[in-house]
Amino acid sequence: QSVLTQPPSASGTPGQTVTISCSGSSSTLGRNSVSWYQQLPKTAPKLLIFHNNQRPSGVPDRFSGSKSGTSASLVISGLQSEDEADYYCASWDDSLNGHFVFGTGSKVTVL
Amino acid sequence: QLQLQESGPGLVKPSETLSLSCTVSGGSISTTRNYWGWIRQPPGKGLEWIGSIDYSGSTYYNAPLKSRLTISLDTSENQFSLNLSPVTAAETAVYYCGRHGVPRGTQLWASYFDFWGQGSLVIVSS
Repeated sequence: QSVLTQPPSASGTPGQTVTISCSGSSSTLGRNSVSWYQQLPKTAPKLLIFHNNQRPSGVPDRFSGSKSGTSASLVISGLQSEDEADYYCASWDDSLNGHFVFGTGSKVTVL
Repeated sequence: QLQLQESGPGLVKPSETLSLSCTVSGGSISTTRNYWGWIRQPPGKGLEWIGSIDYSGSTYYNAPLKSRLTISLDTSENQFSLNLSPVTAAETAVYYCGRHGVPRGTQLWASYFDFWGQGSLVIVSS
């Protein structure tokens, strides 16, 4: 049972901006950083954002992240067809002696 | 560039042991501050963290799995391994290994998975 809740789906037309939310708690996003992952069909997840808003080398700046309190958001600007994928947030959870948790996942569809 | 590759049986019987290894190339698993972890994904479902191990061999396990789980390092082979026993059919999943990155100056509270293996499908069935 994930303690990071995401909307099951989001969609937009090419060029639009899509925002995915990630809702946590004081033991997750309230104290710890968030990371975001993109998973294309039949492939391993890829890190998009780490430490709330940092992009690894090679990730387009169309992807941006933010965190406030116990919630976080991933924004995809200038949506492209190749952005159609599943997106997961993740964070460390201080409860139960500490563990890493992934969000429930959001499917982004490009209309 | 760091690369990770899972290996192990693709079919395991219920009540037996699931064993997987992850071979790391392009870097040493024993480098200070390196953490390594396992994640799984049942067919059509989301990601679940299984556990991680750091460069010194200290382990961090997902609590519900702790009593059945062992993650270990083999520095001579630059590998780390997962053993889960006993398993049930519900644990059929793609198992990924990954580097559990920790930004300099922080600890696990800021961690993330920055390099992933391609994944290994493990079916638990008799």
